Amino acid sequence: SQKIEQNSEALNIQEGKTATLTCNYTNYSPAYLQWYRQDPGRGPVFLLLIRENEKEKRKERLKVTFDTTLKQSLFHITASQPADSATYLCAPEYSTLTFGKGTMLLVSP
Amino acid sequence: NAGVMQNPRHLVRRRGQEARLRCSPMKGHSHVYWYRQLPEEGLKFMVYLQKENIIDESGMPKERFSAEFPKEGPSILRIQQVVRGDSAAYFCASSAYRPGQGNSPLHFGNGTRLTVT
Repeated sequence: SQKIEQNSEALNIQEGKTATLTCNYTNYSPAYLQWYRQDPGRGPVFLLLIRENEKEKRKERLKVTFDTTLKQSLFHITASQPADSATYLCAPEYSTLTFGKGTMLLVSP
Repeated sequence: NAGVMQNPRHLVRRRGQEARLRCSPMKGHSHVYWYRQLPEEGLKFMVYLQKENIIDESGMPKERFSAEFPKEGPSILRIQQVVRGDSAAYFCASSAYRPGQGNSPLHFGNGTRLTVT
């Protein structure tokens, strides 16, 4: 069965630093992988989609990589801000979108 | 352009009652998904519907749970004879395309928090 692993421990970083979140998946080869942000009490919000033939995708301060050999995606936020504090979910796309448990990011001023 | 609307935001039911959760997808979206989230847990897929059809219900319990997406009106997730273990946040999402077809990010509502007492 599909398995998605994201760091369960919260990631604490200081404002201005780069945050790097990891998503590993096993047992299948998704055509796409998506990243979402979820704030407490709210639904997830789509951030970025990367296809299997793309190595890297950027959007403003966000960068996503997709290594289909390692079955891993990395999500980077550069020049992080306290407003970036949230839980970030990765979702490899298969027949339906399956989400990891998410990694909580805490950016302190 | 309204996003995905879910109501109610909070729902309290006693054990044995029925819970009906409603979801209006984004305008132009014909694909609807329901997910369940427990505290400290990830989003668990329940069911995927396209107008009037259930496409994938592999994540939905066989008993007491049902979903529909009629030709007119919102999608409904129904839970009959609720038990305490049904307490969770239920999220609905919609997309313009089916999974795997084109760029198909999900647009989520803000969920219905069901509490069973």
